[in-house]
Amino acid sequence: DQQVKQNSPSLSVQEGRISILNCDYTNSMFDYFLWYKKYPAEGPTFLISISSIKDKNEDGRFTVFLNKSAKHLSLHIVPSQPGDSAVYFCAASTHQGGSEKLVFGKGTKLTVNP
Amino acid sequence: DSGVTQTPKHLITATGQRVTLRCSPRSGDLSVYWYQQSLDQGLQFLIQYYNGEERAKGNILERFSAQQFPDLHSELNLSSLELGDSALYFCASSPGRVTDTQYFGPGTRLTVL
Repeated sequence: DQQVKQNSPSLSVQEGRISILNCDYTNSMFDYFLWYKKYPAEGPTFLISISSIKDKNEDGRFTVFLNKSAKHLSLHIVPSQPGDSAVYFCAASTHQGGSEKLVFGKGTKLTVNP
Repeated sequence: DSGVTQTPKHLITATGQRVTLRCSPRSGDLSVYWYQQSLDQGLQFLIQYYNGEERAKGNILERFSAQQFPDLHSELNLSSLELGDSALYFCASSPGRVTDTQYFGPGTRLTVL
């Protein structure tokens, strides 16, 4: 049973336009959400996070939106750059019990075309 | 460079064998996490250690075990290997507080033939 779902395996956008990556989750106990970016032959790199008490978090070109009622979050990249081409993983965790284990989606491969 | 190192980078072995993957966390980090990424799968959490003690367990097989040593490096032992164990194995580390970011190493690619 996949608790974190990224239904789009891939996304292609033009440089300068907006990239929107989507993520759905099923476990209502999740209270912290993260996006990681992964280049080939490297480990995932933390990008941005959001607590369940917020509905938006912004960091430069990256904004994460959280819709708790829909159990949905999205990552917006504006403007998209060719260097943003990577696999993006959505992850979620619950901080109850002091455990920080992350539950990851399968990833969305973003290609930004020059 | 995340500061987390993993060795070896690649490992090729045969079914039934046993291997050990090694992880050195970032300086000062007390928590180490192990994840498995199989083909077309997201990262699956295996196990977490904090300052030498097991803190959380995921879907780790009984054939797999891990430990964290006094110098805080960690090893993941995989035994009686099967073809399906072929995957990327990532280690991550964090200072250990619940809201701390996990920093990932470059991974070890295990191929079981």
